Amino acid sequence: AQSVAQPEDQVNVAEGNPLTVKCTYSVSGNPYLFWYVQYPNRGLQFLLKYITGDNLVKGSYGFEAEFNKSQTSFHLKKPSALVSDSALYFCAVRDLYTRGAGSYQLTFGKGTKLSVIP
Amino acid sequence: KAGVTQTPRYLIKTRGQQVTLSCSPISGHRSVSWYQQTPGQGLQFLFEYFSETQRNKGNFPGRFSGRQFSNSRSEMNVSTLELGDSALYLCASSLALGVSTDTQYFGPGTRLTVL
Repeated sequence: AQSVAQPEDQVNVAEGNPLTVKCTYSVSGNPYLFWYVQYPNRGLQFLLKYITGDNLVKGSYGFEAEFNKSQTSFHLKKPSALVSDSALYFCAVRDLYTRGAGSYQLTFGKGTKLSVIP
Repeated sequence: KAGVTQTPRYLIKTRGQQVTLSCSPISGHRSVSWYQQTPGQGLQFLFEYFSETQRNKGNFPGRFSGRQFSNSRSEMNVSTLELGDSALYLCASSLALGVSTDTQYFGPGTRLTVL
């Protein structure tokens, strides 16, 4: 079965410094990987996704993620953190091998709380 | 284009009651999925609908059910509420034109509190 691990419950970073939020995954077939962000009392907001091709994916609000097949990782990065980036970040995977080509279901990690300190 | 809308945003019920939550997908989107979010279990998949048919179902008891209408709007129902059903229920929609790479876009959620 597919699974996603976010090894850090919380990440603290100073404003202006680069940030990394880690994610590793396990799927049977080719992974489709997603990052979402959740602000307090809000739904999930899509940041970026990896489907195929270039291992470095660029997304919204200056975020990017690096896909590494050998390490089964999909870490979220940003060169310079903003206080407004403080939120809960979720990594998710869609495994078509298990769920079938017609499914859009996502399996989520537990989430990482990012705190950007002014 | 309007995003995914969910009603009501907040709901308080007592144990044993039933509840119906509503979701309107983004215009033109044909697939709707539901997720439950709790502090302990995180985000868990409930079910997924396309063209009024349930395609997948998560590992939840039969008290949880859903349906999709011909206009792609969806409802989920929880009968005989338990305290553990207190959660944020999120709806997500996808364009679903046969491309499995589609992104799911989420609504703001319905916060259900069971007393």
